Order: sequence, then C-alpha cells, then structure tokens
Amino acid sequence: EVQLLESGGGLVQPGGSLRLSCAASGFTFSNYRMTWVRQTPGRGLEWVSSIGENSGYTYYADSVKGRFTISRDNSRSALFLQMNSLRAEDAAVYYCGRFHGMDVWGQGTTVTVSS
Amino acid sequence: DIQMTQSPSAISASVGDRVTITCRASQGITKYLAWFQQKPGKAPIRLISTISSLENGDPSRFSGTGSGTEFSLTISSLQPEDFATYFCLQHESLPYTFGQGTRLEVK
Repeated sequence: EVQLLESGGGLVQPGGSLRLSCAASGFTFSNYRMTWVRQTPGRGLEWVSSIGENSGYTYYADSVKGRFTISRDNSRSALFLQMNSLRAEDAAVYYCGRFHGMDVWGQGTTVTVSS
Repeated sequence: DIQMTQSPSAISASVGDRVTITCRASQGITKYLAWFQQKPGKAPIRLISTISSLENGDPSRFSGTGSGTEFSLTISSLQPEDFATYFCLQHESLPYTFGQGTRLEVK
C-alpha cells in the first residue's frame, strides 16, 4: 500500500525551529518529486515547497523562502522540511504529498507557534 | 501567481442531486489542474488529475471538465459519502495554488 506518514510537528515558540519528516512506503520513493503543503482554517491550503527526484531542484513559496529548507534521503525513503525562524502565521497542519499534483497525501502533522 | 477562484463556497444539496463546482484561474492553464475531496479530520484525496482524468477506483459519478481559465468538477448523482469539502489545485505554474474550497452540505 502506498503510504506517507508525517511526524515532527509540535508546539514551538516564535523564532524557534522544527524539523518535519515524511516516511514513504509502498512505492519507489526515488522516482517521485515530493511536495509539502499546509492548511489552516483561515487561509485554506497553501503550497509550501517541492523537491525533485534527486534533489536536483527545490522550490519554495515566497512566504517561507529563506526560512524553510526541503530535503530528502532516498536511501531512507524520507522527505524533510526544516523550518527556522517560525512565525505565528506558520502554524498549520503540514502535509507531505507525492508529486507536484499530490496524488497521495500523508495524514498531516500539526505545527503550533505560540509563546 | 495564478489565483484560483472557487465557487460556490458552500452548496446545500440532497442525495441524487447533480452538483457542479467551478474554479476560475487568473491565467490560462493547459493541463495541470486537479480536484480533491476532504472529509473532516482527514487528509485530502485526489479525485481528478490533469483536468479530467478520474483517479483509479474513483466512482464515475465524478467528472472534470474545462479549459483555459475555467474548470469544473461535477458529481452527477450525489451519494451520502460525497458530502465533504472539495477544492482545486493548479500545479502548472509556480507558485502552485489551491482554490478556497467548496463545502458540500446535506440540504
């Protein structure tokens, strides 16, 4: 079964850091581009970042550029999102997804930014 | 940036009804437009890719159409399990953008 499982969310103070992970199974991870999106009740769904199959490219939303870093470890079938200098507006449920078109989603991990 | 304007924001409908949801793009999209269904507390599920391609295993009552800047998701005959939130995604041009969502409610 194709599956994505996020982890690493939690409560962090403004200005703090968090690293999200996404474990992939049931498919050949190294063959797929991967994406992070986030969702809030107020702003809906927002694309955050995407990465190529072999990390040959990375793309970021302007709202996170310079603060977030997407990476992957194909040997471990894992996707990561390093989030630094977190702001209140970064609080959301973060989903990893397969491909730019998000044909498979993880269950999400919640990030709360509050003092 | 391509803005995706989705309408309506909410629909009240009954089992058996035909329902259409629309996404208008601020710029033309040639291929990469997808539709998703999301139920409360759950991750979204992709229903339609590349404007009109139904995902394997999804019921044929779901269909996607459109071209240029206007795209639609139609549910031909609502079933009880279809009451959910639906949204579109364009992943043709960076930054990728989602519609605001349409909540489909029981009348």
